[in-house]
Amino acid sequence: GQQLNQSPQSMFTQEGEDVSMNCTSSSIFNTWLWYKQDPGEGPVLLIALYKAGELTSNGRLTAQFGITRKDSFLNISASIPSDVGIYFCAGPYGGSQGNLIFGKGTKLSVKP
Amino acid sequence: GAVVSQHPSWVICKSGTSVKIECRSLDFQATTMFWYRQFPKQSLMLMATSNEGSKATYEQGVEKDKFLINHASLTLSTLTVTSAHPEDSSFYICSAGGQGALNEQFFGPGTRLTVL
Repeated sequence: GQQLNQSPQSMFTQEGEDVSMNCTSSSIFNTWLWYKQDPGEGPVLLIALYKAGELTSNGRLTAQFGITRKDSFLNISASIPSDVGIYFCAGPYGGSQGNLIFGKGTKLSVKP
Repeated sequence: GAVVSQHPSWVICKSGTSVKIECRSLDFQATTMFWYRQFPKQSLMLMATSNEGSKATYEQGVEKDKFLINHASLTLSTLTVTSAHPEDSSFYICSAGGQGALNEQFFGPGTRLTVL
């Protein structure tokens, strides 16, 4: 079945630095979604990508839909303490109901 | 827009009791809602897909008689954990995808269930 491999599993950065994380799939996706989850909260949608090669920004966040349609990356520029959290990539799988499969997440820590 | 609420935010119950969790889409109509569970430090695992006016579709390994799902309206889905046991303790999160959502799902804040 489809799998999403997300890396790194965790990362530490200094405030002000840029960070990057990526997600790869064992099969082609036609949508990539990036979510952020704070402790004890539900995930919040950050960026949605729908076209191979698409590069989309949301403030300091930029995500790209890989040309092969099997990967995506998320960049955060000039990280700040409130960027701390777990970032998940997700993509649709199976059927027509819009089910999503999630990566295992990247835990980001930002040192002030 | 695209706000999803969940109630309660946390619940503690005794083993053997049933617990109902509500998921509401506040500013849009959701023909489809999804229920996930998340264990500590793990990713979200889809339990079932809830469709308004029809039976839910359960993922492999999820007991439909234990996790009852009702999606009676376009803005409300409920998950009832029947005869809960300590191993059912988890973080339950719902999401909603509206018509034309292009696979986007909007998540509720989650419900922390602790079964003693």
